[in-house]
Amino acid sequence: GQQVMQIPQYQHVQEGEDFTTYCNSSTTLSNIQWYKQRPGGHPVFLIQLVKSGEVKKQKRLTFQFGEAKKNSSLHITATQTTDVGTYFCAGTGAGSYQLTFGKGTKLSVIP
Amino acid sequence: NAGVTQTPKFQVLKTGQSMTLQCAQDMNHEYMSWYRQDPGMGLRLIHYSVGAGITDQGEVPNGYNVSRSTTEDFPLRLLSAAPSQTSVYFCASSYGDRPLGEQYFGPGTRLTVT
Repeated sequence: GQQVMQIPQYQHVQEGEDFTTYCNSSTTLSNIQWYKQRPGGHPVFLIQLVKSGEVKKQKRLTFQFGEAKKNSSLHITATQTTDVGTYFCAGTGAGSYQLTFGKGTKLSVIP
Repeated sequence: NAGVTQTPKFQVLKTGQSMTLQCAQDMNHEYMSWYRQDPGMGLRLIHYSVGAGITDQGEVPNGYNVSRSTTEDFPLRLLSAAPSQTSVYFCASSYGDRPLGEQYFGPGTRLTVT
């Protein structure tokens, strides 16, 4: 079955430093979605990418979808304490009805 | 709009007991799904539904049953609880009959099986 790997598992950064998490799929994806989950909360949708090579920005967050549609990344510029949480990528293969999640990257920001 | 609601928020079961986790959405979404979240494991798909009367298995379906008699409701049944089913359970829904857009998650049910 489809597998989605995400690295790193944990990342500790000083406030103001940048942060990147990477996502790789074993198969080509129709779409890649990114979610943020705060401690004790539920996943909250951030963005979806569907086109090869697509880049989208949301303020300090930059999302990329690889040319082969098998990998993606989320980059946060100048982290803030409000960025703390676990970031998940999730993808759907062509024709699939299932959304497969990576294991997430837990971000800690040291003030 | 209440969005996606789940009950109960917390539950403790003894091994062998049965229970139903409730999930409801008021957004007229066709696609609904159940995930379990364990530490370090991300979210794993248990069952999903593409519309009323249609359900299918996800990655980890063993020990769980679902039904979808209405568009709004998608209950998850544990027939005979086991300690391995201790987890946080999330229900989600989205537009269309595939998970090709934003998934709206409920607040979760924290289940402990002793």
